[in-house]
Amino acid sequence: DTEVTQTPKHLVMGMTNKKSLKCEQHMGHRAMYWYKQKAKKPPELMFVYSYEKLSINESVPSRFSPECPNSSLLNLHLHALQPEDSALYLCASSHGWNNQPQHFGDGTRLSIL
Amino acid sequence: QKEVEQDPGPLSVPEGAIVSLNCTYSNSAFQYFMWYRQYSRKGPELLMYTYSSGNKEDGRFTAQVDKSSKYISLFIRDSQPSDSATYLCAMSAVVNNNDMRFGAGTRLTVKP
Repeated sequence: DTEVTQTPKHLVMGMTNKKSLKCEQHMGHRAMYWYKQKAKKPPELMFVYSYEKLSINESVPSRFSPECPNSSLLNLHLHALQPEDSALYLCASSHGWNNQPQHFGDGTRLSIL
Repeated sequence: QKEVEQDPGPLSVPEGAIVSLNCTYSNSAFQYFMWYRQYSRKGPELLMYTYSSGNKEDGRFTAQVDKSSKYISLFIRDSQPSDSATYLCAMSAVVNNNDMRFGAGTRLTVKP
């Protein structure tokens, strides 16, 4: 089991639905990340939060909306997704956003119908 | 040229073999080097983390960094079927973590 917990593990949703992915860590890390991973590809960075503030948005479409309610929690709100958004969504955390290794959760496997 | 090059394999070896996994990179600013192991339907798991050049050993795993050649390696001794996974190299520059770049990942199968 990883120290970064993601829920749900699987999610199937229609293109008109609204859903949220959740991520939690209790390692005292102050930087948290969302990645998208397609099959047989490396993770692609989507968002970075540092001290609960959004510091990086890698030109992600607005149908993905991140939220960091506190230093332990990270959410990704989904709305009006497209079939090409089907992927494994990974959350990661690190002590800081400078030169610290990132620790990943096991991801949410998202399927858009 | 990609910033980080990693042979995607697949690589198949018999149990007990020594496995060598490699990445090359072009950005001389990279100073931090990681190896992650990813099992099917799981997230990447941090295996090794090294700074600058040199070797680091942890059990059956040894990570090597040669900055002069812009080349990093992960060696697995006495490989086991449980080592079958995709291995991702990753690296970042001094400044911040959002510059972390992944290799494509090498799929390894260790056959009993």
